[in-house]
Amino acid sequence: DGGITQSPKYLFRKEGQNVTLSCEQNLNHDAMYWYRQDPGQGLRLIYYSQIVNDFQKGDIAEGYSVSREKKESFPLTVTSAQKNPTAFYLCASSIGLVGGEQFFGPGTRLTVL
Amino acid sequence: GENVEQHPSTLSVQEGDSAVIKCTYSDSASNYFPWYKQELGKGPQLIIDIRSNVGEKKDQRIAVTLNKTAKHFSLHITETQPEDSAVYFCAASKGGGSYIPTFGRGTSLIVHP
Repeated sequence: DGGITQSPKYLFRKEGQNVTLSCEQNLNHDAMYWYRQDPGQGLRLIYYSQIVNDFQKGDIAEGYSVSREKKESFPLTVTSAQKNPTAFYLCASSIGLVGGEQFFGPGTRLTVL
Repeated sequence: GENVEQHPSTLSVQEGDSAVIKCTYSDSASNYFPWYKQELGKGPQLIIDIRSNVGEKKDQRIAVTLNKTAKHFSLHITETQPEDSAVYFCAASKGGGSYIPTFGRGTSLIVHP
């Protein structure tokens, strides 16, 4: 089955620790995205990538970092510089940046204690 | 940049009633308007979309209408069922190489049996 997987589903970390969220897709999509979802806030764009080895900051990139070394993978690192990291994180992909459906993963709920 | 307003934030209906969710956008260059449904603990899934060259689109019990002049679009769900209960997001984007959708804040639809 084609799709996007995110792991783990739930993640707990102590304050001050960096943590990396995994996102993998087997849809052969060029574009990948990371969103943060907080109650009542909708989906806010953290980073996106159009092709391998290229990525751009979104609206709320501060305190986050990404890499895109492979087409299938787009991991997100939440660093200790992120002031309020507890949230639901969604990864998505699309064929390209040409206007069309985004396919979302199941999400990772990160809780920083 | 684009700004998408979505109303209402919560909508409660009885099974069998119709539900209408409305969105407005600010950028007249936006030309692609998807609607996503997010069930609890899952990632959003596209349920219907419309492009700016079309005024209305239907798919069984759901329909979307677009008024380009007024810059607003709406989701209509008829004969609602309990399984329609979810959070619905509208989005707007421009396409043409700069496709990054801007999402509304979401509407929590509750269908009472």
